[in-house]
Amino acid sequence: AQKVTQAQTEISVVEKEDVTLDCVYETRDTTYYLFWYKQPPSGELVFLIRRNSFDEQNEISGRYSWNFQKSTSSFNFTITASQVVDSAVYFCALSEPRGTDKLIFGTGTRLQVFP
Amino acid sequence: ETGVTQTPRHLVMGMTNKKSLKCEQHLGHNAMYWYKQSAKKPLELMFVYNFKEQTENNSVPSRFSPECPNSSHLFLHLHTLQPEDSALYLCASSQGGRAGETQYFGPGTRLLVL
Repeated sequence: AQKVTQAQTEISVVEKEDVTLDCVYETRDTTYYLFWYKQPPSGELVFLIRRNSFDEQNEISGRYSWNFQKSTSSFNFTITASQVVDSAVYFCALSEPRGTDKLIFGTGTRLQVFP
Repeated sequence: ETGVTQTPRHLVMGMTNKKSLKCEQHLGHNAMYWYKQSAKKPLELMFVYNFKEQTENNSVPSRFSPECPNSSHLFLHLHTLQPEDSALYLCASSQGGRAGETQYFGPGTRLLVL
């Protein structure tokens, strides 16, 4: 069965530190999609990135970067030079094409960035 | 208005009340979703609608009744809820309801059942 594990429940850092949020997934399919969402205190889930299983290139968007490694079934998310506004809960999610359009979410990692 | 909107943002109701949550998407999408987010639990998919047709009911109790009159609007009718139904209810939409598509979320309705 498909599953997403975010082992880090909560991380605290001081501003300007780099931080990596881990995501490990389980799937038997060869075609699948991975996502990261940010949930600030306001509650809305904000889409950050979508990656399909055939594209293992790392991606960088400003201070955000993602490291996708199929060999270890991981899709980790790094924030460089963290800022207070990065404080939020971050969710990793898995979608498989074989089933319905379900997103399987991890339990989330709460990131607190202190000034 | 842009994106996905939800009303009300907060709701307090008694167990005998009937209320409705509303979701509207302004993205031209054809699929809409209801999720429940309880404290310390993963996001749970409740219902999926594709082109106004319900395609997923994730074993949700009948006290939750969804309605999708068109591709832009989604309702969740609530009646005789229990205190354990207190949660954040999130609506989302995607282009065509195909697997792998990005889902865009609204701000949620924070529900408290007394």
